Amino acid sequence: DSGVTQTPKHLITATGQRVTLRCSPRSGDLSVYWYQQSLDQGLQFLIQYYNGEERAKGNILERFSAQQFPDLHSELNLSSLELGDSALYFCASSVYREAGWSPLHFGNGTRLTVT
Amino acid sequence: GQQVMQIPQYQHVQEGEDFTTYCNSSTTLSNIQWYKQRPGGHPVFLIQLVKSGEVKKQKRLTFQFGEAKKNSSLHITATQTTDVGTYFCAGPLLRGRGGSNYKLTFGKGTLLTVNP
Repeated sequence: DSGVTQTPKHLITATGQRVTLRCSPRSGDLSVYWYQQSLDQGLQFLIQYYNGEERAKGNILERFSAQQFPDLHSELNLSSLELGDSALYFCASSVYREAGWSPLHFGNGTRLTVT
Repeated sequence: GQQVMQIPQYQHVQEGEDFTTYCNSSTTLSNIQWYKQRPGGHPVFLIQLVKSGEVKKQKRLTFQFGEAKKNSSLHITATQTTDVGTYFCAGPLLRGRGGSNYKLTFGKGTLLTVNP
């Protein structure tokens, strides 16, 4: 068990809809990351939050947004969904120490299917 | 932007054969990390290499970091069915404005299948 909790495990929705994916980081980790995994693209970095603030951004679509709340849980919002958004979405967490960043601990992922 | 490339994309071996996956970065890395994702699972951290030319071993797994800190390899000796999964290398992209921004870029991974 990585200590990172993601809900829901599966999500099936129609094109044009909006969904919210939720992540609770490992206890003590201040940073949350979102990754998208599809068959042909591997693990694509979407966005990083640190202690409530956005810190690094990847190729995240404008239809996607995220936030990290004061209790450090994070939500990834996907809107105007398209078929191509079907993928596995992973949340990961880590902490920054004097020696540098700890490795990423991944949640079990949310499998999104857009029909 | 920074790219991390891995080869091969797929590797199928007979149980007992060796396996190697290679990772190359377009930029010099401060460290390289390796993760394993079992089928249906999530990526799990294996190891981090920091020093130029570093070699680390975990039982049958040997990890190397290149002298120029731009490439790395993972070698598995005498594969077992439990080694099945996708192996990812990942390198951090650090920006100059401080320590709280951190983007770990993953290679596309090498899917290892093992025939018993």
